[in-house]
Amino acid sequence: EIVLTQSPGTLSLSPGERATLSCRASQSVRSTDLAWYQQKPGQAPRLLIYRASSRATGIPDRFSGSGSGTDFTLTISRLEPEDFALYYCQQYGGSPPWTFGQGTKVEIK
Amino acid sequence: QVQLVQSGAEVKKPGASVKISCKASGYTFSNFPIQWVRQAPGQRLEWMGWINGGNDNTKSSERFQGRVTITKDTSASTVYMELSSLGVEDTAIYYCARQSDLVFDSWGQGTLVTVSS
Repeated sequence: EIVLTQSPGTLSLSPGERATLSCRASQSVRSTDLAWYQQKPGQAPRLLIYRASSRATGIPDRFSGSGSGTDFTLTISRLEPEDFALYYCQQYGGSPPWTFGQGTKVEIK
Repeated sequence: QVQLVQSGAEVKKPGASVKISCKASGYTFSNFPIQWVRQAPGQRLEWMGWINGGNDNTKSSERFQGRVTITKDTSASTVYMELSSLGVEDTAIYYCARQSDLVFDSWGQGTLVTVSS
């Protein structure tokens, strides 16, 4: 089973600042098999990024994804008030189980 | 638009079973698998299993040691997930999600299952 470790656990930033979230895999993950989700309190996760760098439908271009192998990054170029939330990475390659990271909370400083 | 609507919250005693439904609309049901994911308090999202929308292929995580059963009623565009032999550690929000091009692109609103004596 591939274990995903996200860092930092919490990111305290102000609106307008840049957020950089990391996701590290315990073994190599194909770039086509890595996604990022956003979750707000009381809501289901929402797909942001798939195939490591492709934005899902309706996702603003301030969200971008990058990375390969075992290291992946989600960047939010300029934080908007609605971006303060939990973010999870997920690998969905090969056979299940498909696994998620433990999450990074982006909070208002 | 794609919608997945789940059944309501459940309270169960240890040892009981729970069956949650997930009704899909806004797309061709048979063309997409449905996944089940749960989120226990303070824990990461955990994949539980899936079912193919077009046939009866299904698979569940070995972590649940045969306690998970996923079925569907194609005529009703509804998928069911039953979890048996509940323990307090199964208290969680359970989500269904549509899988498209391998990613989970649409999610149900979640069903809270509370296991308590």
